[in-house]
Amino acid sequence: DAKTTQPTSMDCAEGRAANLPCNHSTISGNEYVYWYRQIHSQGPQYIIHGLKNNETNEMASLIITEDRKSSTLILPHATLRDTAVYYCIVRDNNAGNMLTFGGGTRLMVKP
Amino acid sequence: GAVVSQHPSWVICKSGTSVKIECRSLDFQATTMFWYRQFPKQSLMLMATSNEGSKATYEQGVEKDKFLINHASLTLSTLTVTSAHPEDSSFYICSARGGFNEKLFFGSGTQLSVL
Repeated sequence: DAKTTQPTSMDCAEGRAANLPCNHSTISGNEYVYWYRQIHSQGPQYIIHGLKNNETNEMASLIITEDRKSSTLILPHATLRDTAVYYCIVRDNNAGNMLTFGGGTRLMVKP
Repeated sequence: GAVVSQHPSWVICKSGTSVKIECRSLDFQATTMFWYRQFPKQSLMLMATSNEGSKATYEQGVEKDKFLINHASLTLSTLTVTSAHPEDSSFYICSARGGFNEKLFFGSGTQLSVL
């Protein structure tokens, strides 16, 4: 799997949008972009994934650049419970392989 | 969404004892399960991949005789930490996948503390 680069940490004010960037410049055509988050002392939680098109679900939106070399996870109205480590991962679904976790971004939502 | 149940949530044991951790897929059949380990303030590190009915594949540096994995059914995988020592204290997390290109779902993790 290609590697990803994320900022180590970010702060966000409660109620504002949190925009978490991820670089994946070596992503291949078959690789999807996945986002998971891990709240302290819990297992990772799936958020969203996409291949080329932007995606939106009840948790977040995923914006993927046209060249697919970077993406942004958007939490539209961050709450204190969104404080967590957010992992951006690229994975070839057809390879059926595991997820390789990088360092992630520690998002702190502040009141 | 799919649910993966992991038990126990935490365990404290004496050095030299063995500990078994269970991972169950509750509403889907998991052909493949993955076991991760996470030390404080670090990311998840893959330990092994287990496919139902076959031997697990271990990552480099992970002792297969120490971390025994059994995936005897499509809904259950177990990780047994044998002869645990304090350095085995960690957060162990399982994940499961239904189909080949399905997204992964994670258990809630097991905090192991070896005294």
